[in-house]
Amino acid sequence: NAGVTQTPKFQVLKTGQSMTLQCAQDMNHNSMYWYRQDPGMGLRLIYYSASEGTTDKGEVPNGYNVSRLNKREFSLRLESAAPSQTSVYFCASSKDGLTLHFGNGTRLTVT
Amino acid sequence: KQEVTQIPAALSVPEGENLVLNCSFTDSAIYNLQWFRQDPGKGLTSLLLIQSSQREQTSGRLNASLDKSSGRSTLYIAASQPGDSATYLCAVRPTSGTYKYIFGTGTRLKVLA
Repeated sequence: NAGVTQTPKFQVLKTGQSMTLQCAQDMNHNSMYWYRQDPGMGLRLIYYSASEGTTDKGEVPNGYNVSRLNKREFSLRLESAAPSQTSVYFCASSKDGLTLHFGNGTRLTVT
Repeated sequence: KQEVTQIPAALSVPEGENLVLNCSFTDSAIYNLQWFRQDPGKGLTSLLLIQSSQREQTSGRLNASLDKSSGRSTLYIAASQPGDSATYLCAVRPTSGTYKYIFGTGTRLKVLA
């Protein structure tokens, strides 16, 4: 009963490097989300996908791209990492926008 | 623009006490509201979801209420235990904007043994 799985758990990047955060869910949910969590700022939505084949911007999309590869997987890509992107990234999924199920997060540090 | 506020940011209580956590939102046009628990270094776990047409939801020692017209929700925890120590966050889903949720910054709760 895996739920929402995120990889990697930790990552350190240098400014300008790129990477992809992976997320997969096994609950047959149609909606998936990427949030970032920063101290004192709560969770902010980066991108979401209401259903397979669709993606839309959230509050803080600049510097990120996403791919909804299939119903199970939703990846987040940083093309050129910046120190301001140091954060904890959470993937979540839901069925029809109801209860949100979260992964355990990816802790990213950009130096 | 919808804004969600949780006050206080941190709270310490002795074990056994009943307590109330507050969540307020600026726009009453919401589809539902969720309460979450987050343990250090972990993701969020949904505790209760209240639909806009509901007034409250209960699960064990937890009771969440919703007053849409005044833009407030409360999470009541009965007979608190040290294991309840965590950060509690609320989130609202506006009626517009498809399935987006907007989160408060959370209340960090410590229950002292």
